[in-house]
Amino acid sequence: DVKVTQSSRYLVKRTGEKVFLECVQDMDHENMFWYRQDPGLGLRLIYFSYDVKMKEKGDIPEGYSVSREKKERFSLILESASTNQTSMYLCASRIELGVTGELFFGEGSRLTVL
Amino acid sequence: AQRVTQPEKLLSVFKGAPVELKCNYSYSGSPELFWYVQYSRQRLQLLLRHISRESIKGFTADLNKGETSFHLKKPFAQEEDSAMYYCALSSGSARQLTFGSGTQLTVLP
Repeated sequence: DVKVTQSSRYLVKRTGEKVFLECVQDMDHENMFWYRQDPGLGLRLIYFSYDVKMKEKGDIPEGYSVSREKKERFSLILESASTNQTSMYLCASRIELGVTGELFFGEGSRLTVL
Repeated sequence: AQRVTQPEKLLSVFKGAPVELKCNYSYSGSPELFWYVQYSRQRLQLLLRHISRESIKGFTADLNKGETSFHLKKPFAQEEDSAMYYCALSSGSARQLTFGSGTQLTVLP
């Protein structure tokens, strides 16, 4: 089974703090994604990565950055957390195929910014 | 730009009744559509994709390009079908998924 692991399930941070959310997958997948999940808004794509050191902006990248130094690890960084970044963050990975492959999701990281 | 609309935030049906979760999309290219499901306290997971034309857990979904819809249907709902369902559209050179806002389905006993 593919395993996508998000290191922090629950975090509470203060406004202005730097926040790191870590995601690791164990199936050698090329593609990795960060979404935020909000009630009534569904999942919105923040950033994604084709492969190591590659990154692309999604639909809502403002206030976020990412890092992919190793194939299995994709980090989401909030340089200066704000209250409107309180959300559930979902990481996902998939293998690169000629068609759209299945996304495998982590359990999520619930971030509260005070 | 691509867009996925799920008009119902909440949907309740009784056990054994038919259920239909609506999904409409807008996309200028050839669409690839999916349904993902999240059961309580579980990860989001793929339920089915239109290209496979398969039935999973009794659910089916037909792509209707004329109506730009991809509704999810099941003839007889079960209590274990209660979950959050997301419709998703693949687009762009990286085939990234755009998700709808989700429908919370509750199947009542």
